[in-house]
Amino acid sequence: DIQMTQSPSSLSASVGDRVTITCRASQSISSNLNWYQQKPGKAPNLLIYAASSLQSGVPSRLSGSGSGTDFTLTISSLQPEDFATYYCQQSYGTPLTFGGGTKVEI
Amino acid sequence: EVQLVESGGIAVPPGGSLRLSCAASGFTFDDYTMHWVRQAPGKGLEWVSLISWDGSNTYYTDSVKGRFTISRDNSKNSLYLQMNSLRTEDTALYYCAKDFGGSYSRFYFDYWGQGTLVTVSS
Repeated sequence: DIQMTQSPSSLSASVGDRVTITCRASQSISSNLNWYQQKPGKAPNLLIYAASSLQSGVPSRLSGSGSGTDFTLTISSLQPEDFATYYCQQSYGTPLTFGGGTKVEI
Repeated sequence: EVQLVESGGIAVPPGGSLRLSCAASGFTFDDYTMHWVRQAPGKGLEWVSLISWDGSNTYYTDSVKGRFTISRDNSKNSLYLQMNSLRTEDTALYYCAKDFGGSYSRFYFDYWGQGTLVTVSS
């Protein structure tokens, strides 16, 4: 199985900060990496797919990059609504696997 | 508007069985692979199973193989998860999720339901 490791597990930042979350795969997954945001009591929401493609409706301050085993999610200017937990997920093969999550506290 | 509505989650004792359902609307259900993803209380996300558009291909995470069965009824726009031999570690919120892809599966999820809670406890 492909293991997905996210770092950090949590972070505190201020409005306007640039925030970067990393995700590492245990083997190469090409660009088959996706990012989700989950707010308390809500279902996850797809943000980025195929490593760098922005899902419709997602603000452009979010971006994704990387390929192979190392990936990043960047929020260029953190907003209050970005308080949430972020998960990466590999879609290279089954079993599909998620990272452990990064909780972003404002 | 795409809607996924799960139901069937209840409290059951270890060893028990349960069938979850997911009613889909707002898209052409039989064009898409569908998934179940779960989240234990206070924990992260875990993919459980997927089924291809026509039901011919299914996949499971190792911990549920032989105990859970995913199925679908395209005439009813519905997805199911039959859960047998339930264990305490199966306690979770179970989400139904739509695959992003249409003509071919992408294995990521663009729409999710609100989840249905399964509690396995004596």
